[in-house]
Amino acid sequence: DTEVTQTPKHLVMGMTNKKSLKCEQHMGHRAMYWYKQKAKKPPELMFVYSYEKLSINESVPSRFSPECPNSSLLNLHLHALQPEDSALYLCASSQFGGPGELFFGEGSRLTVL
Amino acid sequence: GQQLNQSPQSMFIQEGEDVSMNCTSSSIFNTWLWYKQDPGEGPVLLIALYKAGELTSNGRLTAQFGITRKDSFLNISASIPSDVGIYFCAGQGSGGYQKVTFGTGTKLQVIP
Repeated sequence: DTEVTQTPKHLVMGMTNKKSLKCEQHMGHRAMYWYKQKAKKPPELMFVYSYEKLSINESVPSRFSPECPNSSLLNLHLHALQPEDSALYLCASSQFGGPGELFFGEGSRLTVL
Repeated sequence: GQQLNQSPQSMFIQEGEDVSMNCTSSSIFNTWLWYKQDPGEGPVLLIALYKAGELTSNGRLTAQFGITRKDSFLNISASIPSDVGIYFCAGQGSGGYQKVTFGTGTKLQVIP
């Protein structure tokens, strides 16, 4: 079982909706990540939080808004998305300053109608 | 930016056969990681490599960190049906420990 938990597992939303994806980890990791993965493609980095502060934003459109309320939680707020934003959204965590060993959740499958 | 190319892109093998796949980069990496991803699931870490030339095993899996630091290899011995999935290499380079770049993936199918 993964130690990174993502909810919901599936989400369908319209282009005018506001929704959120949630991620939780209890491994004591202080770096948390959002990745986006399209079908048959590798995961692509979106955001990185280190010690609850946003440290990397890979030029992601503002309709995606990340939030890290505490060291265990990571949210991704979604608003005014486009159909091309449909993808698997993966949350991951790692030890701060570690050698890059990311531990992933099972992902949230997002469909935008 | 850094790009990782994996080969082969896909492969069909008979159960019991050994499998080899590799990953090459245009840049030097400090850490190489190998992940397996099942359909609809997140990637699961298989092996992590930290030094050039390092050879590490995890059960039937063996991976190597290339001497040039621009490539890595993964071997699976005596394949079984549950080995089916997509295998991704990933590298952490000079962009900082947080910048982990994923390879293009190798889709493995095992014929019982």
